[in-house]
Amino acid sequence: ETGVTQTPRHLVMGMTNKKSLKCEQHLGHNAMYWYKQSAKKPLELMFVYNFKEQTENNSVPSRFSPECPNSSHLFLHLHTLQPEDSALYLCASSQGGLAGGSDTQYFGPGTRLTVL
Amino acid sequence: GNSVTQMEGPVTLSEEAFLTINCTYTATGYPSLFWYVQYPGEGLQLLLKATKADDKGSNKGFEATYRKETTSFHLEKGSVQVSDSAVYFCALSDTIGNEKLTFGTGTRLTIIP
Repeated sequence: ETGVTQTPRHLVMGMTNKKSLKCEQHLGHNAMYWYKQSAKKPLELMFVYNFKEQTENNSVPSRFSPECPNSSHLFLHLHTLQPEDSALYLCASSQGGLAGGSDTQYFGPGTRLTVL
Repeated sequence: GNSVTQMEGPVTLSEEAFLTINCTYTATGYPSLFWYVQYPGEGLQLLLKATKADDKGSNKGFEATYRKETTSFHLEKGSVQVSDSAVYFCALSDTIGNEKLTFGTGTRLTIIP
């Protein structure tokens, strides 16, 4: 397996369910990201982790809870979501550290989430 | 703050037509600029990038030149193919130790045979 993988690719859940999205990168990177992609809106950065430490939380509601146990894995735990949270959730990774703004992010295929 | 403005889509062209997708930006400092492409059912893939003024990024026949004087990074291709049908995103990142990418809203491109 190469690049950035995400599971599951599709998820349907009720508002009272608890589920988790998983992201794994095989690129030896140190930074990982969660983005939300909704129709007709720019990609929204949700969380950034650099060397397993959270460095950005873009005012995301607490019903989304990220976890980064190591530099290769990133989770997004979901609970009591709302229908408006239905979207494509994209994970990305990059070299991180002091690479600065020229650091290229590599994206996974995304998880299509539907909240009923 | 940083922002990226892309031309509104959708854009529909015939095969072998010339393509331009406009992108302008607002940023503090000296950002790096990117074009990402998203094919149906997939995540975003880096298409090309430029890290300083007057740099030209190129890949798969696509080109974009970093124009600081006009704060633009327009995407061009001389002869498009049906396989180029996708959504194209312009993005920037601040070079001052900031990992955040700021994206445009995306431009959907459809190429007709």
